[in-house]
Amino acid sequence: NAGVTQTPKFQVLKTGQSMTLQCAQDMNHEYMSWYRQDPGMGLRLIHYSVGAGITDQGEVPNGYNVSRSTTEDFPLRLLSAAPSQTSVYFCASSYSWDRVDEQYFGPGTRLTVT
Amino acid sequence: GDSVTQMEGPVTLSEEAFLTINCTYTATGYPSLFWYVQYPGEGLQLLLKATKADDKGSNKGFEATYRKETTSFHLEKGSVQVSDSAVYFCAQNTGNQFYFGTGTSLTVIP
Repeated sequence: NAGVTQTPKFQVLKTGQSMTLQCAQDMNHEYMSWYRQDPGMGLRLIHYSVGAGITDQGEVPNGYNVSRSTTEDFPLRLLSAAPSQTSVYFCASSYSWDRVDEQYFGPGTRLTVT
Repeated sequence: GDSVTQMEGPVTLSEEAFLTINCTYTATGYPSLFWYVQYPGEGLQLLLKATKADDKGSNKGFEATYRKETTSFHLEKGSVQVSDSAVYFCAQNTGNQFYFGTGTSLTVIP
């Protein structure tokens, strides 16, 4: 049982490049989410999903896309990277939307956009 | 809108000192309240939670009580250890979204 895994751990992009941050969980959790963590701002929700085929926007969705084709995977796509997207990104999952309190977090991806 | 405000750090304490980290929340409904801890280089881990007013969450010597009248959920520990050095986040959830505070960095020195 690996829990929540994220790849890559570190990434450097140039402005305008696109990339996908991968997130997977092996706990059969319905609810998955993406956060970004910036100094002095805590964690902010980007997108979330309450089950396969269902996604919704969080607090800061602009510049990011997500899809949920399987229960296990929840990739986050940066369409055209900007320096403002330099951040640490965390994926999290929980059993279901009404047990979202028991969230399990991945180790994070540190992204730098130059 | 819904939000969480927690005391800014960093906080530096000597081993065995008493810890308090303040947290207040703003919510339109009746949220559940949480404290998460983040150790260096890792993701967040749930430390404790409380789901209704007057509930007390506790874990690893840490405690926090859900105070509806003051909209607060302050984290306390009677005697901190070096291993408690981490960043602590207060959070609330209403429906299926979470709102986190900005985090408080704690360093405990021997």
